[in-house]
Amino acid sequence: DIVLTQSPATLSVTPGDSVSLSCRASQSISNNLHWYQQKSHESPRLLIKYASQSISGIPSRFSGSGSGTDFTLSINSVETEDFGMYFCQQSNSWPHTFGGGTKLEIK
Amino acid sequence: QVQLQQSGAELARPGASVKLSCKASGYTFTSYWMQWVKQRPGQGLEWIGAIYPGDGDTRYTQKFKGKAPLTADKSSSTAYMQLSSLASEDSAVYYCARGGKLAAGLAYWGQGTLVTVSA
Repeated sequence: DIVLTQSPATLSVTPGDSVSLSCRASQSISNNLHWYQQKSHESPRLLIKYASQSISGIPSRFSGSGSGTDFTLSINSVETEDFGMYFCQQSNSWPHTFGGGTKLEIK
Repeated sequence: QVQLQQSGAELARPGASVKLSCKASGYTFTSYWMQWVKQRPGQGLEWIGAIYPGDGDTRYTQKFKGKAPLTADKSSSTAYMQLSSLASEDSAVYYCARGGKLAAGLAYWGQGTLVTVSA
């Protein structure tokens, strides 16, 4: 199975900061990498698909990059509503594993 | 619009089984993989498996094979996951979710079903 490693585990930031979250795959997954946001007691929400494709209704401050084994989710000027958990998931091969997550918290 | 409506919370004894449901609407049920995801309290997301209702094809994470068999009823556009031999580590929220044609990018999620295993 493909292992996804997210870093850092926790990121403490001030609203207005710009941040980058990392997701590294144990083997090449091309661009078959997707990012989700999850707030407490809610279902996850898809933010970015296929590494860099935007999703309708998601603010433009969220962007994704990368291919192969290294991927990044960037948030330009974090807003208070952005705090929560972020997960990556690969769909290159079954099973479609998730990363362990990064918690974005207010400093 | 696409909607996934999951069944209500379950309280079960250790060793028992429960069957969770996920009723889909707003799209052609037989044309997309339905996926299931586990989340224990305060933990991350764990991919359980997926079923293609069109032909019943299934995929699983190895640890869930036999533990969480997936089925689908085309007549009612409902996907099911049965959890057997329940133990405390099965206490979690279980989500169904749907992605695109290649099963990628889970854009639609159910509200989750809380399963609590307790004597």
